[in-house]
Amino acid sequence: QQPVQSPQAVILREGEDAVINCSSSKALYSVHWYRQKHGEAPVFLMILLKGGEQKGHEKISASFNEKKQQSSLYLTASQLSYSGTYFCGPPPGGFKTIFGAGTRLFVKA
Amino acid sequence: KAGVTQTPRYLIKTRGQQVTLSCSPISGHRSVSWYQQTPGQGLQFLFEYFSETQRNKGNFPGRFSGRQFSNSRSEMNVSTLELGDSALYLCASSLDGKEYNEQFFGPGTRLTVL
Repeated sequence: QQPVQSPQAVILREGEDAVINCSSSKALYSVHWYRQKHGEAPVFLMILLKGGEQKGHEKISASFNEKKQQSSLYLTASQLSYSGTYFCGPPPGGFKTIFGAGTRLFVKA
Repeated sequence: KAGVTQTPRYLIKTRGQQVTLSCSPISGHRSVSWYQQTPGQGLQFLFEYFSETQRNKGNFPGRFSGRQFSNSRSEMNVSTLELGDSALYLCASSLDGKEYNEQFFGPGTRLTVL
């Protein structure tokens, strides 16, 4: 069962905000978020764990609702460099890893 | 710290041939996962290796196999190539594959099957 991401695509102007959602029909114990730019490999953004713990490398915030099995990624004051495809999914190891289909984000000047 | 490296970066093969792809994880990382990425199917998990053992496997036919060496380097093999195997193959390494540790992707190997 692939996590469902919404929206499928979004176009923003620089400085605008966006929210990308990820929901799963399977129990999620943690959610990993990645961003992939065209022609490049996915880059780690955030880990959200049960209990509210978060781990990330960029100025991006996210939330994880364990009961609803949903996660949301909040992109505020978007920059041109935020453009890319965002994926959510569980981590590898221990259980089957299925990524969401991705949300395409395009930020224009 | 050097990142995840994959070789070769590009490969062209014909149907029926076999191919071996290589992945060197970040130093100290013991978990290596392999993914197939295509425009139609997105990012799909192939398998994960930890300490030379396949720990998790995705939904791919037996033509796809892998192994991990004692230095954590991993290889993926695809036998009897089909046109549909054309894809970007990504490997990713993690300290131990646990849910609280991030995963780092390599640049990928672009495989074209003619």
